[in-house]
Amino acid sequence: GAVVSQHPSWVICKSGTSVKIECRSLDFQATTMFWYRQFPKQSLMLMATSNEGSKATYEQGVEKDKFLINHASLTLSTLTVTSAHPEDSSFYICSAKLAGVIHEQYFGPGTRLTVT
Amino acid sequence: AQKVTQAQTEISVVEKEDVTLDCVYETRDTTYYLFWYKQPPSGELVFLIRRNSFDEQNEISGRYSWNFQKSTSSFNFTITASQVVDSAVYFCALSEARRYGNKLVFGAGTILRVKS
Repeated sequence: GAVVSQHPSWVICKSGTSVKIECRSLDFQATTMFWYRQFPKQSLMLMATSNEGSKATYEQGVEKDKFLINHASLTLSTLTVTSAHPEDSSFYICSAKLAGVIHEQYFGPGTRLTVT
Repeated sequence: AQKVTQAQTEISVVEKEDVTLDCVYETRDTTYYLFWYKQPPSGELVFLIRRNSFDEQNEISGRYSWNFQKSTSSFNFTITASQVVDSAVYFCALSEARRYGNKLVFGAGTILRVKS
């Protein structure tokens, strides 16, 4: 149980285009999902917290107009990287929190984005 | 502020050796959770353990053991009789509910290389 999927697992896009990454909780409802970014050989950095039905909360330094997050249902959150640039190339990982259970996050397998 | 320090950037051992990964944390809260995750080359995070601040009992799970000491704010992880499959990046993480809404703060990670 508690499986989180991400789609796509990897994507290559051209500079200036937008790309959408989906995060789904497959067998549970997630009121909260988190989006992390991991550059090569670095740690995971939280980008934003996404709550179902409300606006996402972005961490300091993360451009909310560039990284659009939508959490339209209890099982799906999407991250759209708009006008992508090579410096946005990274490994994006989402996690989902079980409703009513604190301190328990389930991580997706990650999406590797390469912007050329 | 929350902070997690993993001072060991990279450790190399020979198979069957024991290895300890250090984790030191900072928090002003009395209620918090500590985690260890494994990230193999595939990139997917693997949950290893969660420990709350009120439970200082050491834990053993097979070849893995954890030593939680509040007096030194440390939560160290030991692998006994290491195997090549243990090669991965290991992250220690901290979560404080009240102040930061269950956000996870990760340490920089320790690369473990186990050679045969």
